[in-house]
Amino acid sequence: DTEVTQTPKHLVMGMTNKKSLKCEQHMGHRAMYWYKQKAKKPPELMFVYSYEKLSINESVPSRFSPECPNSSLLNLHLHALQPEDSALYLCASSPRNTNTEAFFGQGTRLTVV
Amino acid sequence: KNEVEQSPQNLTAQEGEFITINCSYSVGISALHWLQQHPGGGIVSLFMLSSGKKKHGRLIATINIQEKHSSLHITASHPRDSAVYICAVVVGNYQLIWGAGTKLIIKP
Repeated sequence: DTEVTQTPKHLVMGMTNKKSLKCEQHMGHRAMYWYKQKAKKPPELMFVYSYEKLSINESVPSRFSPECPNSSLLNLHLHALQPEDSALYLCASSPRNTNTEAFFGQGTRLTVV
Repeated sequence: KNEVEQSPQNLTAQEGEFITINCSYSVGISALHWLQQHPGGGIVSLFMLSSGKKKHGRLIATINIQEKHSSLHITASHPRDSAVYICAVVVGNYQLIWGAGTKLIIKP
């Protein structure tokens, strides 16, 4: 199994809603990442978890809250988002760090209304 | 000036043509990724290089660390190769600096 699985594929939420994005991999990777990608732009790193500990937070607003309950799962909890947060949210994993091969999920297309 | 520059930004070619996409970078790196993204979709890792050359099917990637340059080649291109191809360099343990991508269209 060489997949990174993200759910849901599409999400529409209101600005007062609370929702979560999920990411799962069963490759034994110990680094997992959340990226945000706006249309026609490269992905922007949001968070890195290394060995289930948050190692990088790229000054992401607190309305985005990551969680890594175990080595296979990565969540991104969303609360009080703004329309400008609408984007493709990509999850990735790698064995240790980005010096090794990285695997990406298909992304969650988020629309905030 | 961006730290990772890709060229061309857009490329349209006929099926069967040999394709070359270039990536130049200005920072010290430990590795370089070539990735593929279809419209509206996720990203697929094609290659991770730290030196030399790698080949997978019709795809070939090369890197010249001294010249800070990498190329991605596609032989016998096919319409299904149409996608955005992204070069990303590894700085430190986790930081990826991404190129702007090359949008490739292969016409039948």
